[in-house]
Amino acid sequence: EVQLVESGGGLVQPGRSLRLSCTPSGFTFGDYALSWFRQAPGKGLEWVGFIRSKTYGGTTEYAASVKGRFIISTDDSKSIAYLQMNSLKTEDTAVYYCTRPRRAYFTTDNWFDPWGQGTLVTVSS
Amino acid sequence: QSVLTQPPSVSGAPGQRVTISCTGGSSNIGAGYDVHWYQQLPGTVPKLLFYGNSNRPSGVPDRFSGSKSGTSASLAISGLQAEDEADYYCQSYDSSLSGYVFGTGTKVTVL
Repeated sequence: EVQLVESGGGLVQPGRSLRLSCTPSGFTFGDYALSWFRQAPGKGLEWVGFIRSKTYGGTTEYAASVKGRFIISTDDSKSIAYLQMNSLKTEDTAVYYCTRPRRAYFTTDNWFDPWGQGTLVTVSS
Repeated sequence: QSVLTQPPSVSGAPGQRVTISCTGGSSNIGAGYDVHWYQQLPGTVPKLLFYGNSNRPSGVPDRFSGSKSGTSASLAISGLQAEDEADYYCQSYDSSLSGYVFGTGTKVTVL
């Protein structure tokens, strides 16, 4: 069974950093891309970023709202993906989800399945 | 801020048919990009409901159907059941934003 498990969420002050982890299972980590999404409390879904599989360069794409502050990376030896969040703002408060895109590369027809259970990040002083 | 617009809520009695619209523009749905739908049951994570406009993953009942035309897409639920109460989101790609975008979300209530 394909699963993704996020961890690392918590309470953090504005301007500080936090790193989330995504641990997939049930598929070959290196063959797939990964993507992060978030959902603010009581709000809708928002795409955060995307990392291509190593076959497609392992490069990243980001939403404008987080570009320059958030960094997605992978540790292939541990089969873990990370979302490094810097210069956090109160508006970054959300549940963060890790998902598996349909394609191993960044393309217009990607959909996302499955989703992890999410990890809550609260940015507050 | 979502670039795809959905009605905030729709409701229907058990057994009825409801439709959820997803309206975009020339840089997303109107550009020919596929629309996908997700169901988020209360207190749970989003689950893929449709991909590629009208394709159901295995396990999704055929009471659900999807379509796309022009700058809009629609999700229809026939034979509404209590277990269909959830939030529904459409998703596509936007060339102006160079990223994936979601609809504003629709809460389906079974009366």
